[in-house]
Amino acid sequence: DVVMTQSPLSLPVTLGQPASISCRSSQSLVDSDGNTYLNWFQQRPGQSPRRLIYRVSNRDSGVPDRFSGSGSGTDFTLKISRVEAEDVGVYYCMQGTHWPPWTFGQGTKVEIK
Amino acid sequence: EVQLVESGGGLVQPGGSLRLSCAASGFTFSGYWMHWVRQTPGKGLVWVSHINSDGSRTNYADSVKGRFTISRDNAKNTLYLQMNSLRAEDTAVYYCARGFEYWGQGTLVTVSS
Repeated sequence: DVVMTQSPLSLPVTLGQPASISCRSSQSLVDSDGNTYLNWFQQRPGQSPRRLIYRVSNRDSGVPDRFSGSGSGTDFTLKISRVEAEDVGVYYCMQGTHWPPWTFGQGTKVEIK
Repeated sequence: EVQLVESGGGLVQPGGSLRLSCAASGFTFSGYWMHWVRQTPGKGLVWVSHINSDGSRTNYADSVKGRFTISRDNAKNTLYLQMNSLRAEDTAVYYCARGFEYWGQGTLVTVSS
């Protein structure tokens, strides 16, 4: 199974400042079709997960452009350019290349300082 | 508007059974892969099971293989998860998801005597 490792696990940030979350996979996520199936999810307190980013860098509909995804192979990053209060929650990466199983990272808790 | 509404959770004794349902609306249900994902209270997301669009192909996490069965009724726009031989460690909120893009609100399953 592909192991997804996120860092940091806790991220205190100042409002208006940038934030960055790293996600590393135990093997390359490049599929035989050339795509890289790496997603990012946000889970606000008391809510269901919401997909933010698919295939490394594609924002889902309605996702603010302060969220961006990047990376390749085994190293990926989610960046928030300027953190807002509504961004508080837990962020997960997930791989969908080597399935089953689909595997998630442990989650990174973003909180306001 | 895409909607996924889970039901069927509750309190069950170890060794017991439950059937979860996920009612889908707002899209052509028969055209999409569906998943069940669970989350132990306060912990991360864990993929449980997958079914393809016509129900001919299924996959399971090792932790539930042989105990859980995923199925769908495309005429009723409903996804199911039959859970047998339940254990304390199956206690979690269970989410259904359309290809991980859309998620339901979750239903809580508690396995306890």
